[in-house]
Amino acid sequence: QLVLTQSPSASASLGASVKLTCTLSSGHSNNAIAWHRQRPEKGPQFLMKLDSDGSHRKGDGIPDRFSGSSSGAERYLTISSLQSEDEADYYCQTWGIDIEVFGGGTKLTVL
Amino acid sequence: VQLVESGGGVVQPGRSLRLSCTASGFTFNTYGMHWVRQAPGKGLEWVAVLWYDGGNKAYPDSVKGRFTISRDNSKNTVYLQMNSLRAEDTAVYYCARRPPGGGIDSWGQGTLVTVSS
Repeated sequence: QLVLTQSPSASASLGASVKLTCTLSSGHSNNAIAWHRQRPEKGPQFLMKLDSDGSHRKGDGIPDRFSGSSSGAERYLTISSLQSEDEADYYCQTWGIDIEVFGGGTKLTVL
Repeated sequence: VQLVESGGGVVQPGRSLRLSCTASGFTFNTYGMHWVRQAPGKGLEWVAVLWYDGGNKAYPDSVKGRFTISRDNSKNTVYLQMNSLRAEDTAVYYCARRPPGGGIDSWGQGTLVTVSS
């Protein structure tokens, strides 16, 4: 069964860095994923597609402060130089044959 | 890329509703399209996908047999026909673009569907 697991919450200080994790279920460690951001009261926004080898392609206008990496079944989103506007829910997404799956989301608080 | 949903509103349980999503800024007939929903205070839930040529579509069990996705490439529009609506279908519905290779790389702003008597 294709499942993505995210921690419900994370926090970091203004100007610091944070690394969010998305874990693929057993047997799916080669899946690519996508990261999406949803600011309060807004629709989701595509951040990047992240492959199992760590290569990633970002969406238009996504700053260099956002980067992705991979290790085994884990996919990471690192945000550096945190700004108040980064406070949002972050979702990972993956896909298979006739199925799309979202993680439960991580609520990022910027202190 | 711009995706604009319409057709949301308040509907009674058991009734039907059709959502539309009109696309611009890209070659519509070369991309698949998704519908994704978000219930109040909840996370994202995938609802339907339709490939670029309409040749393949899929749904999760929660809507299979009740929802139908379709497209009109001449109008750059994708639709979601929702029948036998239930209270648990209440959500903001987003259309989203499926790039070659899968996933989502662009989102609409969403349209709210409320199922209530």
